[in-house]
Amino acid sequence: NAGVMQNPRHLVRRRGQEARLRCSPMKGHSHVYWYRQLPEEGLKFMVYLQKENIIDESGMPKERFSAEFPKEGPSILRIQQVVRGDSAAYFCASSPGVAGGTSYEQYFGPGTRLTVT
Amino acid sequence: AQSVTQPDIHITVSEGASLELRCNYSYGATPYLFWYVQSPGQGLQLLLKYFSGDTLVQGIKGFEAEFKRSQSSFNLRKPSVHWSDAAEYFCAVFAGNEKLTFGTGTRLTIIP
Repeated sequence: NAGVMQNPRHLVRRRGQEARLRCSPMKGHSHVYWYRQLPEEGLKFMVYLQKENIIDESGMPKERFSAEFPKEGPSILRIQQVVRGDSAAYFCASSPGVAGGTSYEQYFGPGTRLTVT
Repeated sequence: AQSVTQPDIHITVSEGASLELRCNYSYGATPYLFWYVQSPGQGLQLLLKYFSGDTLVQGIKGFEAEFKRSQSSFNLRKPSVHWSDAAEYFCAVFAGNEKLTFGTGTRLTIIP
């Protein structure tokens, strides 16, 4: 059973370009979470999605950031018009959910390290 | 809102010595607590978790942690560290709102 997969592992974008980060959850997992890790900091929650639904996006910046988890295919975190402050490691996690809709264990991917030049 | 504090930013330990990494949380009810390890340039690996029951939990790689409600703590311990334990360690709390809240991490350096 493959783990959570993220690609690309490293992404370099110039200011103003778009960044698209992809996450394939573990097989059988229907819950996806995105976290951002700024240099020398812990991980900060961004968004929680289930298939075709955004459940909680309270950690997402209001502008330029969006996320989706379509019925088919990976989850995508999209950053438009990137700025230097977007440089960070972006981690995806997935969980199977449990009865009642509460997820406890989250399994993390290797991350995408975004550098904005 | 829940929060996690890891008071030690960086700890250096000799190989073979014992280790304790501190974690304090803030949450009104009993939280679900986790320790993750992150090697340089890598993702996070779950070391252990506490949901309920026995307050001393065993994890992978010889780590254990003890939940102390009275102190709002969930400290990570290992009796004898190995050079391969050098990494960043994160404590996290899941408070039922579908997201993990992480501490800022403790960087562990092992000296021979």
